[in-house]
Amino acid sequence: GQQVMQIPQYQHVQEGEDFTTYCNSSTTLSNIQWYKQRPGGHPVFLIQLVKSGEVKKQKRLTFQFGEAKKNSSLHITATQTTDVGTYFCAENTGTASKLTFGTGTRLQVTL
Amino acid sequence: DAGITQSPRHKVTETGTPVTLRCHQTENHRYMYWYRQDPGHGLRLIHYSYGVKDTDKGEVSDGYSVSRSKTEDFLLTLESATSSQTSVYFCAISPGTGNTEAFFGQGTRLTVV
Repeated sequence: GQQVMQIPQYQHVQEGEDFTTYCNSSTTLSNIQWYKQRPGGHPVFLIQLVKSGEVKKQKRLTFQFGEAKKNSSLHITATQTTDVGTYFCAENTGTASKLTFGTGTRLQVTL
Repeated sequence: DAGITQSPRHKVTETGTPVTLRCHQTENHRYMYWYRQDPGHGLRLIHYSYGVKDTDKGEVSDGYSVSRSKTEDFLLTLESATSSQTSVYFCAISPGTGNTEAFFGQGTRLTVV
């Protein structure tokens, strides 16, 4: 079946540094969603990208969908301790909106 | 947060015993899902429901069954718990078809000893 890989698995940055996580699929994605999960918490929806080459921004977060719709990235500018958590990409498929998740990237931010 | 309640939040059970996890929503959303989360695997779909008494299998459905007798409740049953089913289980809901976001419950941490 389809596999969605994320890299890196883990990243530790100093507050103020930038961070990027990449999501790569072996097949063309119909869309990509991004979720954030705080430690001990549940996944929370951040954004959805649908169009080839789409770029969306939310304050310090920039989301991109690749031209071939096989990859996506999330970039955080000037990280803050509130950015700590695991970031997941996921494809939303079918009429039942089932999600196929990537493996996740855990971000640790220290002062 | 969307109105989703999972119970119990934590459970320890013995190998071979049946276990039922409950998900209750107050959003009247049509779709409900059970995912499990394990290190290195992200979240994987176990079963989902697209209406009362309408359910289907997900990626990792072996050893699990589900039931949905009311719109608001979706039950996940481990018929005979095994140590490989030790995991964090998340219920999720979604309002409709196509490209819609999912809302997740707080999760249930299940340990099978």
